[in-house]
Amino acid sequence: KQEVTQIPAALSVPEGENLVLNCSFTDSAIYNLQWFRQDPGKGLTSLLLIQSSQREQTSGRLNASLDKSSGRSTLYIAASQPGDSATYLCAVRGNYGQNFVFGPGTRLSVLP
Amino acid sequence: ETGVTQSPTHLIKTRGQQVTLRCSSQSGHNTVSWYQQALGQGPQFIFQYYREEENGRGNFPPRFSGLQFPNYSSELNVNALELDDSALYLCASSSGTSVINEQFFGPGTRLTVL
Repeated sequence: KQEVTQIPAALSVPEGENLVLNCSFTDSAIYNLQWFRQDPGKGLTSLLLIQSSQREQTSGRLNASLDKSSGRSTLYIAASQPGDSATYLCAVRGNYGQNFVFGPGTRLSVLP
Repeated sequence: ETGVTQSPTHLIKTRGQQVTLRCSSQSGHNTVSWYQQALGQGPQFIFQYYREEENGRGNFPPRFSGLQFPNYSSELNVNALELDDSALYLCASSSGTSVINEQFFGPGTRLTVL
């Protein structure tokens, strides 16, 4: 059974810092991994999707890496801003089925 | 192109009642998946509907049931509501059941059970 964990559970940083969020999964037979952002009480906004054959994806200040063999992904946020404050979720989809297995999320606060 | 929509946005029920949540899939999508997100946790897969048939189910009791209509919109029904059913319910649509078909999420319905 696939399990996804995220570290840290919560993170508070001053504006302008670079930061790294971590995601681990137990079964390496994944098809892809996706990072989402969730504002309080809201739905999910897709940030980056990495296929299992890829090592990283970049979008603006965000960079996500994937090491499938070790069951790890990182989300790097450069020059953080208060508007980045949200919960960040990683989720994997496996060759076993279409639906996501989500981690519990990392709650990020960027202080002005 | 219209995205995934859900209704209602919020609702409040009491323990033991029944509730119906609705999801309209994105144009051209024939598959809808439902997820439950309890406070402080990641979403958990409830079930998926493809062409009006259930096509996979997570670890949820039978009092969680669903429907999909010919236009591919979907309903999630929960009977005998319990306090622990309080959560954000998300639906996601896709153009097929294969893992290569990306899922697109709706904004969610916040259910509170008192």
